[in-house]
Amino acid sequence: DTGVSQDPRHKITKRGQNVTFRCDPISEHNRLYWYRQTLGQGPEFLTYFQNEAQLEKSRLLSDRFSAERPKGSFSTLEIQRTEQGDSAMYLCASSTSSATNEKLFFGSGTQLSVL
Amino acid sequence: AQSVTQPDIHITVSEGASLELRCNYSYGATPYLFWYVQSPGQGLQLLLKYFSGDTLVQGIKGFEAEFKRSQSSFNLRKPSVHWSDAAEYFCAVGADSGGYNKLIFGAGTRLAVHP
Repeated sequence: DTGVSQDPRHKITKRGQNVTFRCDPISEHNRLYWYRQTLGQGPEFLTYFQNEAQLEKSRLLSDRFSAERPKGSFSTLEIQRTEQGDSAMYLCASSTSSATNEKLFFGSGTQLSVL
Repeated sequence: AQSVTQPDIHITVSEGASLELRCNYSYGATPYLFWYVQSPGQGLQLLLKYFSGDTLVQGIKGFEAEFKRSQSSFNLRKPSVHWSDAAEYFCAVGADSGGYNKLIFGAGTRLAVHP
């Protein structure tokens, strides 16, 4: 169990550029979540995958955001035409699907700064 | 809509003193309740959770929390704080959304510990 890993740890980009983040969940976990955390706030749910299927997207996830989990393992989160308001910590979490009350394991996050 | 309120943004305690972090939630049904801790550069770590049964829940690192339905509260306590407990603490409610657990977090309480 190597935990949930996220890459990169930090990303600085200019407004209007596209960025992509990667999340590698714990290997036996089939549920994967993306959250966003802005300064001084708790994490906010963005989207959820069960295996390769994206089952829910938050209204926070505008059309500029897209997430994939092509083989039910790692996931990517892409932000197109970044805006300064996208600056935040992007957190990935994974879990098994044994029950609704499963424990989430979080990665350390990708800190995005949009200049 | 579900929500979580953590009334205290910052709390400072002396090492060895007792600690109570407040959490109030708004949720129509019986909630799943969680406390997570986030240290700088670390992922969110689950301290404890409540789903049903005994309203006093024991967690890791000597923490406990008590669910009080009448007060819609789930306060976190520790009898004697250690310097290593300095971190940010998040209360969360789990909204059962189609069989998986979507967490709604409070804004967090930052704990400082004086030697």
